[in-house]
Amino acid sequence: QLQLQESGSGLVKPSQTLSLTCTVSGGSISSADYSWSWIRQPPGKGLQWIGYIYHSGSNYYTPSLQSRVAISADRSKSQFSLQLYSVTAADTAVYFCARSVHINYVGWFDTWGQGIQVTVSS
Amino acid sequence: IQLTQSPSSLSASVGDRVTITCRASQGISTGLAWYQQKPGKPPKVLIYEASGLESGVPSRFSGSGSGTDFTLTISSLQPEDFATYYCQQFSSYPLTFGQGTRLEIK
Repeated sequence: QLQLQESGSGLVKPSQTLSLTCTVSGGSISSADYSWSWIRQPPGKGLQWIGYIYHSGSNYYTPSLQSRVAISADRSKSQFSLQLYSVTAADTAVYFCARSVHINYVGWFDTWGQGIQVTVSS
Repeated sequence: IQLTQSPSSLSASVGDRVTITCRASQGISTGLAWYQQKPGKPPKVLIYEASGLESGVPSRFSGSGSGTDFTLTISSLQPEDFATYYCQQFSSYPLTFGQGTRLEIK
């Protein structure tokens, strides 16, 4: 059974870099049938897609974060990672990693990690 | 593409039939999914491609619509259905979610 687990620092200082890793077990991140995304949810608010990485290494990032974000993958470890640069308090959120069905494009998210709370504070 | 859900919150009783609406700011064909989220948990997909029932999801959940107007219907509410529901479009990037509909016990 596929499982995703987020890990990383839960507390980041303003202007520093948020770094998270998602470890995938029970499946391969090299499959052409799926892509791998990060999604966040500020406290008490809705969901925001951050971006994805595909098995080919191709990426897409949501425009509002594009200048500050990078998603990479380490297939040997079945992991993909998020880096968000120059964070502010507005980046405080629960961060989820998720798998999406990929049919020429990123589709719906069929498997999610449990989420990790990240707080930006000095 | 902006997704607008209505209502934002809803009170209902066990056994009620409930409908939640999601309207897209432009046509998205059937590129829509519905999720259920309970407090402290990740979202769980219920419906994909507007009307496809995800494996393992009870048949009381159904989805319909295409273009700009979509609905999620729960035919007979069960106690475990009280949660927040989100729609998500995957017709074009960036993928976007609706603001959510909170379903509460009356």
